[in-house]
Amino acid sequence: QVQLVQSGHEVKKPGASVKVSCKASGYNFNTYGITWMRQAPGQGLEWVGWISGYDGTTNYAQNFQGRVSMTIDTSTNSVYMELKSLTSHDTAVYFCVRADSKSAAGWGRFWGQGTLVTVSS
Amino acid sequence: DIVMTQSPDSLAVSLGERATIHCKSNQTLLYSSNKKNYLAWYQQRSGQPPRLLLYWASTRESGVPDRFRGSGSGTDFTLTITSLQPEDVAVYYCQQYYTSSWIFGQGTRVEIK
Repeated sequence: QVQLVQSGHEVKKPGASVKVSCKASGYNFNTYGITWMRQAPGQGLEWVGWISGYDGTTNYAQNFQGRVSMTIDTSTNSVYMELKSLTSHDTAVYFCVRADSKSAAGWGRFWGQGTLVTVSS
Repeated sequence: DIVMTQSPDSLAVSLGERATIHCKSNQTLLYSSNKKNYLAWYQQRSGQPPRLLLYWASTRESGVPDRFRGSGSGTDFTLTITSLQPEDVAVYYCQQYYTSSWIFGQGTRVEIK
């Protein structure tokens, strides 16, 4: 069965960077991309961006352009999301999600468990 | 950019009664070539990731009870829970996938009256 397992809770100081991992299993990693979403405490869902599992092509949300970087490691079927220049507004649960389409557009059928990133001085 | 607006923000419904959630897009989500509406619905229980309920506006995901029903087309959509159960207490989100940006509504909280 499809599983997405994310790395654990991170605590960072303002201005630092964080790198969250998402290890995929149960499907052909090259076939589907991974979308990253985030959810601030008590808030809704915000799209961060998408990366292709085939060739690492990325599509970032405008709000995160220049601050986010997504990469893949096909040897371990893992996806990484790095967010730089953190502020308290980046405190959120970050989810990796696999859609049912090969492109960036689609619905989120499989979700990771979420990674809480806390930014605090 | 597509904007998704849900209403109401919250509602309280008695057990066994109907809950209705609306989702409105500022652009059509109906793709003319295949006549499909590019809209999904999710349920998020406290402390959990969202769970896919419906896609193509009305197609139930495997394992989702048939009391969850989706309807609508174009820019106006509805999620109906026909007979509310205790385990349906959650926040519900609509999401457009007409574009590659995953835009969600702000969410509707459903509680038991």
